[in-house]
Amino acid sequence: TQLLEQSPQFLSIQEGENLTVYCNSSSVFSSLQWYRQEPGEGPVLLVTVVTGGEVKKLKRLTFQFGDARKDSSLHITAAQPGDTGLYLCAGRRDSSYKLIFGSGTRLLVRP
Amino acid sequence: DVKVTQSSRYLVKRTGEKVFLECVQDMDHENMFWYRQDPGLGLRLIYFSYDVKMKEKGDIPEGYSVSREKKERFSLILESASTNQTSMYLCASSLGEVHQETQYFGPGTRLLVL
Repeated sequence: TQLLEQSPQFLSIQEGENLTVYCNSSSVFSSLQWYRQEPGEGPVLLVTVVTGGEVKKLKRLTFQFGDARKDSSLHITAAQPGDTGLYLCAGRRDSSYKLIFGSGTRLLVRP
Repeated sequence: DVKVTQSSRYLVKRTGEKVFLECVQDMDHENMFWYRQDPGLGLRLIYFSYDVKMKEKGDIPEGYSVSREKKERFSLILESASTNQTSMYLCASSLGEVHQETQYFGPGTRLLVL
């Protein structure tokens, strides 16, 4: 059972477009992280959100944690080819060190 | 910068072979993790170690074992490789002080079992 569902699975857009990636669960998470993975590399952390309703911005990327801490979204404004990659959400339950990963969203930004 | 290295980027093994995947981190991290990554399934935790000689099963430990004899090194062992263990294997480490902390990943080992 996948505890964290990501949508869409694949996204191919033109440079300059906006997009949103969703990460949903029926379970409550104590924190949620977003990672980006480029081909041939391991995932790299983009952001950690901890408080329900929290919004964090990282240049053109906006991350939101749902009020109930069951879901999260990643919005990219004016996407660029350098944003291409696999985006993974990952949540922690309770005080565990373990991360539960979503299935990933593969983004391709065409020049 | 934290650096996590994995011994091989690509491996090809035959069914029944014993396979060792090595991971080394250079930042004195307490926690180390082994995941496998398959298309559409995200990353799934195989084993986790929170200290030398300490290990904890993850979500899919069957067919795997681990060894952590030194703090910086975490090994994943496939006692008798099978074709369904063909996958990308990712090692990660984290400091071990706070629960929201970052996991730092190695570049991965792509294993093909024939």
